[in-house]
Amino acid sequence: AQTVTQSQPEMSVQEAETVTLSCTYDTSESNYYLFWYKQPPSRQMILVIRQEAYKQQNATENRFSVNFQKAAKSFSLKISDSQLGDTAMYFCAFTDSNYQLIWGAGTKLIIKP
Amino acid sequence: NAGVTQTPKFQVLKTGQSMTLQCAQDMNHNSMYWYRQDPGMGLRLIYYSASEGTTDKGEVPNGYNVSRLNKREFSLRLESAAPSQTSVYFCASRDTGAGEKLFFGSGTQLSVL
Repeated sequence: AQTVTQSQPEMSVQEAETVTLSCTYDTSESNYYLFWYKQPPSRQMILVIRQEAYKQQNATENRFSVNFQKAAKSFSLKISDSQLGDTAMYFCAFTDSNYQLIWGAGTKLIIKP
Repeated sequence: NAGVTQTPKFQVLKTGQSMTLQCAQDMNHNSMYWYRQDPGMGLRLIYYSASEGTTDKGEVPNGYNVSRLNKREFSLRLESAAPSQTSVYFCASRDTGAGEKLFFGSGTQLSVL
């Protein structure tokens, strides 16, 4: 079965620190997309970053970057210079062969002032 | 630019009542989705529609029906609500031209008493 595991149910860091959220997944597909979505208290689902599995270069979006290790099926998210507005649930997901998203259970990230 | 519009935002039902959640997107996307989100779990796919006129079951379809009314609209119906259907429901549409990115509605908090 295709699964996503986010091993950290909750994390907290001080503002301006760097934090890494872990994600591992299981698939037999060779080509797929990986995503990190953010869900703040407003409940809105917001795309943070996207990675195409056939690309070796790690995706970056401003303060957000990923460490994609295809062989290890690992897709961690690094948030640099964390801000109070980064407080949210973070979900890791990837596309299956039908382009349906398989989701992890989420990591609750708290940024402390 | 409305994106994905989902109504209502909140709803309380009694066991056995019926209701329809409405979803519309103005981005000309072919694929649309209904997810439910429960505490401690990732999003679970209820139904999806790959294109106008087609619908398919997802991971948790029991107790739900859907209608893809046209390319814009995709509704979710609960015929006889049960307390186990208390959840947050999200509608989404997929942009196949932007790396399979999902665009989400703002969610519906449904409580079944």
